Parts: sequence; C-alpha cells; structure tokens
Amino acid sequence: GAVVSQHPSRVICKSGTSVKIECRSLDFQATTMFWYRQFPKQSLMLMATSNEGSKATYEQGVEKDKFLINHASLTLSTLTVTSAHPEDSSFYICSARPRGRTTGELFFGEGSRLTVL
Amino acid sequence: QKEVEQNSGPLSVPEGAIASLNCTYSDRVSQSFFWYRQYSGKSPELIMSIYSNGDKEDGRFTAQLNKASQYVSLLIRDSQPSDSATYLCAVGRIKAAGNKLTFGGGTRVLVKP
Repeated sequence: GAVVSQHPSRVICKSGTSVKIECRSLDFQATTMFWYRQFPKQSLMLMATSNEGSKATYEQGVEKDKFLINHASLTLSTLTVTSAHPEDSSFYICSARPRGRTTGELFFGEGSRLTVL
Repeated sequence: QKEVEQNSGPLSVPEGAIASLNCTYSDRVSQSFFWYRQYSGKSPELIMSIYSNGDKEDGRFTAQLNKASQYVSLLIRDSQPSDSATYLCAVGRIKAAGNKLTFGGGTRVLVKP
C-alpha cells in the first residue's frame, strides 16, 4: 500500500515553455502532498506543500507564480513549471501521507527529471 | 546550524561489515524520525521509522534514537553491495497529516565487495 505515482518520469522542453508534472496517490487519499526539488548530488529541497482544495504553501525563495501547484482532488496534485529556463532543470519529486495516518512517514513518487534546453 | 545534520560521506564499508550512520537534529520537540534510502537517479524509499528512545530492528537494519542527545542512527548489518546508496535522515514534529518532514543532506554509503 501507499503507492505514489508521478508522470512524466522524464521531460525535455525548450526554454520558455511550460511543463506540467502530475502526482497521484494510487491506493490512498492525501489531503496534503509535498513537492521537492533535488539538484545533482544535493539533498531534497522542499518547494511547497500542496493542500487539497486550497492554495499551496510555498517555502521561502520559491516563486509561486513560476511553480504553479494545483491539488484538485484527494489523489492528484500537479506542479506546473511556467516559462521554464535551463536553471529549472532538476529532479522534481512529490510525496504524500495517507489521510488519517498519524505515524508521520511520507511516501515518494518516482520523480520527474526535467531538462530545459 | 542546519536543522538535520548528517555526515555526507562517502562511508566506505567492506561487504559483510556493519555500516553506522549518524544524524543529529536541532528541534527538541521532534516526535517522528525516519531513514530513507535513495539510489542514484531514483526517489527516496522509506526503510525505517522510530518514535521512542532505544533501538528498533527490522531485518539487517537497526535504528537507534536518543531524544535527550537529539541523535538518531542507523546500523546496517552484513552490508551488501546493493546497500550502496545515499541514506537520508528525516525528522518531523507532529504525527499529523499536514506536517512536513525536514531532511538531512544524506550520507553516501559505498559497500565494496
């Protein structure tokens, strides 16, 4: 149980275009999902907390107008990188915690590797 | 001071030996502690969780927690080459659905045959 799926796993786009990444909880509901970014050989950096039915909470230094997050249902959150630039190339990973579970662990999606040319 | 600190490594361990990983955290009211394993190019995978002081064993893994010293560790017994990965320590304050985890920088482990 507690499976999180991300799509696409890899995406290459041209500079200036927008890219949407989907994060789905397959066998549980999640009122909250978390989006992380990881640059090569660095640790996870929390970008934002996605809340079902309300606005996402962004970490300091993360531009909310550039990284649009939508959490329209209890099983789906999307991250859209708008007007992508080469410096946005990174490994984006979502995570979720089953609704009602109080043990605190997060389950991660497979990650989406974005390359902006 | 970072909220969760780990030695970045690499920690080089001979096959069959014990790998010992350490993690310290700054938030005294932290209540939940996790170890994740991350292979190169992959996303993190949960391998251990611990909530109370003492040891918790699961197969070849043992997590140890000392809240007074704000210290959590992971032992990997009979290390295998497949254990070569980066191990992330994560700490949370409240056992609640919306609460985020804070991750350490990770310790890279290399198990040599």
